[in-house]
Amino acid sequence: SQELEQSPQSLIVQEGKNLTINCTSSKTLYGLYWYKQKYGEGLIFLMMLQKGGEEKSHEKITAKLDEKKQQSSLHITASQPSHAGIYLCGADIPQNAGNMLTFGGGTRLMVKP
Amino acid sequence: DGGITQSPKYLFRKEGQNVTLSCEQNLNHDAMYWYRQDPGQGLRLIYYSQIVNDFQKGDIAEGYSVSREKKESFPLTVTSAQKNPTAFYLCASGLLGTDTQYFGPGTRLTVL
Repeated sequence: SQELEQSPQSLIVQEGKNLTINCTSSKTLYGLYWYKQKYGEGLIFLMMLQKGGEEKSHEKITAKLDEKKQQSSLHITASQPSHAGIYLCGADIPQNAGNMLTFGGGTRLMVKP
Repeated sequence: DGGITQSPKYLFRKEGQNVTLSCEQNLNHDAMYWYRQDPGQGLRLIYYSQIVNDFQKGDIAEGYSVSREKKESFPLTVTSAQKNPTAFYLCASGLLGTDTQYFGPGTRLTVL
């Protein structure tokens, strides 16, 4: 099993609909990162969350980290075709050395126009 | 412009051949990382380096080698010992003491 579980693995939504992607760990996370990847390209940094209960927003994307720092959600409001891609969560988990990140399996998002 | 670059974008290799993937950054980052991504899976760490002339194995280092002779460069060699090398390879860099990593555009390696 992976240290970080992402759900769902894939998601197809109609343009304009809201959606939520989850990232869950059985351990307390030191830091949680959300990245977006266009198919076949590198990762683009979206947001970083470090404090329990923290919430950050950028344009129509909001990320939250729960109080126990074991679960994060990424919420997209009024989705657009430009939101399509793979969303990956990465986290600094207790057994990582240095500044290593462990990544979830990714969520593949398709937005139907 | 500051950034992290990888080359080539696509690479084809015959079985039994070694191949080297390039990763360069001009962000003055001390730390650099190599990840492998397989279809439908997340990223797995191959090697990382926090200072010049030093590097550490990640979770799946077997069949790979790296060097860090310059701060800006962290090339990855996929050797013939790597049993299943076809994958998408991503390089990242970051500042020491922080977890934030910045990624290159990736190299897709296909073994024929």
